[in-house]
Amino acid sequence: AQKITQTQPGMFVQEKEAVTLDCTYDTSDQSYGLFWYKQPSSGEMIFLIYQGSYDEQNATEGRYSLNFQKARKSANLVISASQLGDSAMYFCAMTSLSNSGYALNFGKGTSLLVTP
Amino acid sequence: EAGVTQFPSHSVIEKGQTVTLRCDPISGHDNLYWYRRVMGKEIKFLLHFVKESKQDESGMPNNRFLAERTGGTYSTLKVQPAELEDSGVYFCASSQEYPGHLHFGNGTRLTVT
Repeated sequence: AQKITQTQPGMFVQEKEAVTLDCTYDTSDQSYGLFWYKQPSSGEMIFLIYQGSYDEQNATEGRYSLNFQKARKSANLVISASQLGDSAMYFCAMTSLSNSGYALNFGKGTSLLVTP
Repeated sequence: EAGVTQFPSHSVIEKGQTVTLRCDPISGHDNLYWYRRVMGKEIKFLLHFVKESKQDESGMPNNRFLAERTGGTYSTLKVQPAELEDSGVYFCASSQEYPGHLHFGNGTRLTVT
């Protein structure tokens, strides 16, 4: 079984500052994938970044980077130079790559508010 | 390209009634997923179609939920009869390849009164 834990229900950050959203996970799978999704107030789920468990380098996508620490089972999302439009819910998710189902398991989410 | 579309965006029904949610995936996407978020809880996987076949339906809560994907195009999720605990946001997602590019719809907010 897999479990995703996001311990920060809400976070504040000032515009142009960096912010780290925490995510820890638990799995018995050797091969797995980790995701971050953004859900703005409009409701859609937007894919941000992906990290495979065997990827040696941390994933980066523009202002988003994933701080992957395999031994600590953490996959924190770092947003650099925050913008007002970054205010949203952020979900960490994972899936096993060992089977063909590829169902995502999500954390409860972190609500990020970027202030001017 | 058009994204994943879901209909309706909102639905309010009474306990015991039937509701059918529809999802149109991105054209050409063989993989279609249904997820649900009940208020205050995690987004939970319901099931996964590959084309018209159910690849994994381990997340379906009970036999009041029926999902279909006729012809491997759009999918429907029927709840019959609806119960109060079925209230939540139902998301559909699709992908052509895996992993990393799961495209979600805007969700259907279901309220059972």
